[in-house]
Amino acid sequence: SQKIEQNSEALNIQEGKTATLTCNYTNYSPAYLQWYRQDPGRGPVFLLLIRENEKEKRKERLKVTFDTTLKQSLFHITASQPADSATYLCALSLRGYQKVTFGIGTKLQVIP
Amino acid sequence: DTAVSQTPKYLVTQMGNDKSIKCEQNLGHDTMYWYKQDSKKFLKIMFSYNNKELIINETVPNRFSPKSPDKAHLNLHINSLELGDSAVYFCASSPRQATSGNTIYFGEGSWLTVV
Repeated sequence: SQKIEQNSEALNIQEGKTATLTCNYTNYSPAYLQWYRQDPGRGPVFLLLIRENEKEKRKERLKVTFDTTLKQSLFHITASQPADSATYLCALSLRGYQKVTFGIGTKLQVIP
Repeated sequence: DTAVSQTPKYLVTQMGNDKSIKCEQNLGHDTMYWYKQDSKKFLKIMFSYNNKELIINETVPNRFSPKSPDKAHLNLHINSLELGDSAVYFCASSPRQATSGNTIYFGEGSWLTVV
């Protein structure tokens, strides 16, 4: 079965720096990889989607990369702010399948 | 105007009871889901419905029974509640277009505590 690995340990960074979160997967290469943000006590919120034939996607201060050779996606937040503190979930889906599988998430803490 | 709404938000109940969680989405999506997030924060799919038809049924005890009266609603009924059922249950929806990737829109969650 598909396995997603995210660093479950919290990531602490200084405000203004770039935060980089890692998502590794095993077995089949996903058709799509998504990143979600989850705040305490709230449901996950979609941020970005990247397809298997795309190397990079950007949205404002967010950037996602997708390396199918390394079986890895990196999620970057540039000029990080305390308001970016949350848990970030990686999710992937295989071609033709409705099922989206989530990683356990990485908790990001941006320190003022 | 909430996109995916679920009720109740908090539910405390005794072992052995039967309870239901209701969910409605006003996004016009064809697909709806129930996810469970346990104490370790792992988000795991339970069920998925597309236009009232069950398409994903993970290995969930048959005490859990989803019901979709129409494509905008997906309710979750749980019989004979057990301590291990304590978790946050998220309802969600997504557009049908699998070729575009199933971006998922989540509700705010229902916190179930079984005592």
